[in-house]
Amino acid sequence: AQKITQTQPGMFVQEKEAVTLDCTYDTSDQSYGLFWYKQPSSGEMIFLIYQGSYDEQNATEGRYSLNFQKARKSANLVISASQLGDSAMYFCAMRRGGSNYKLTFGKGTLLTVNP
Amino acid sequence: NAGVTQTPKFQVLKTGQSMTLQCAQDMNHNSMYWYRQDPGMGLRLIYYSASEGTTDKGEVPNGYNVSRLNKREFSLRLESAAPSQTSVYFCASGAGFSGYTFGSGTRLTVV
Repeated sequence: AQKITQTQPGMFVQEKEAVTLDCTYDTSDQSYGLFWYKQPSSGEMIFLIYQGSYDEQNATEGRYSLNFQKARKSANLVISASQLGDSAMYFCAMRRGGSNYKLTFGKGTLLTVNP
Repeated sequence: NAGVTQTPKFQVLKTGQSMTLQCAQDMNHNSMYWYRQDPGMGLRLIYYSASEGTTDKGEVPNGYNVSRLNKREFSLRLESAAPSQTSVYFCASGAGFSGYTFGSGTRLTVV
């Protein structure tokens, strides 16, 4: 079974600074995908970034990048130049390859950006 | 806007009452999912449907039933609501190695 671990229940960062949110995963599959979602206080789930297990380059989407270390089974999210609007809950998730498309989520990290 | 539509957004039930949460997507995705979100627990999969006509249990299926009515619609039914089912429910759809799209959620309270 897959397992996602987010060890930081809460994180604080100053506006304009970078922050790293940790995510480790456990799977015996060779093919899998890793996702990060943002959930602001309004409650919707917003897709941020995706990394495939066979992707050699770390994924980037604007201010978001995924620090993928396959041997360590970690997929940390890096947010550069934090903004007040980045304050939210962040979830790491994983899905297996093949025909099994279920997403397994971590418990989340609450990020607070201070002015 | 294209995406996943869930109804209702809010619901209060009495213990023992039944209700159906509706979900529809217009992105032509094969796979659809129902998750529940509880404080400190992340999102946990209740049921999913990999394609029209198929449904499978997820991590926490007890007390729920689902119907994949057609490719667009996937409903979740609580036959006899319990206070432990107080939660926020999310429907989602996806298409392989891509971002899954979530509905806006249903906040359910069972008293």
